[in-house]
Amino acid sequence: GAVVSQHPSRVICKSGTSVKIECRSLDFQATTMFWYRQFPKQSLMLMATSNEGSKATYEQGVEKDKFLINHASLTLSTLTVTSAHPEDSSFYICSASGHNQPQHFGDGTRLSIL
Amino acid sequence: GQQLNQSPQSMFIQEGEDVSMNCTSSSIFNTWLWYKQDPGEGPVLLIALYKAGELTSNGRLTAQFGITRKDSFLNISASIPSDVGIYFCAGQTNFGNEKLTFGTGTRLTIIP
Repeated sequence: GAVVSQHPSRVICKSGTSVKIECRSLDFQATTMFWYRQFPKQSLMLMATSNEGSKATYEQGVEKDKFLINHASLTLSTLTVTSAHPEDSSFYICSASGHNQPQHFGDGTRLSIL
Repeated sequence: GQQLNQSPQSMFIQEGEDVSMNCTSSSIFNTWLWYKQDPGEGPVLLIALYKAGELTSNGRLTAQFGITRKDSFLNISASIPSDVGIYFCAGQTNFGNEKLTFGTGTRLTIIP
């Protein structure tokens, strides 16, 4: 099946640090990528949708200046959590979809801000 | 945002038992997807359904796209320990690059 790679799998850093998470589709062209946040024992919460070469569309309540998304190519999207604080600690998951491809998810990134 | 109603919320079964869970929506979806998520990992696509009334199998898993396009169910036959995890349904108005609307999840636990 389709493979989506997410890196890093875990980040622990100090408050105030900016953290970049990468999402790559390895065997198909991802025209659209999605970024989710998941709190313990809850479902996935969509943060933003990004299409290759255009600005991301953010869900209501998600700060675009806080969560910077870049979708520079058909295989790579990045999420940067700027000046991260403890309340940004969470599990972040990306997914990718393309022509005739349903959404496939990465393995997630566990972000812990001290 | 909107979430689909998924039931049951949790299940405790013995190995070998069959499992059934379902997902309902107040609005119509034209694509239904079922995912499984293990702890600390991303969801993995199990079955995708694209047509009302469609019944699709993937090994011991069978899923159906409800004829009204407002519901879907997933059955697991003869459960094994590796079936443990959280199962999510997801609906899409149109197949392709649209965002998914997720169900609330069903947590499956197998009692030894």
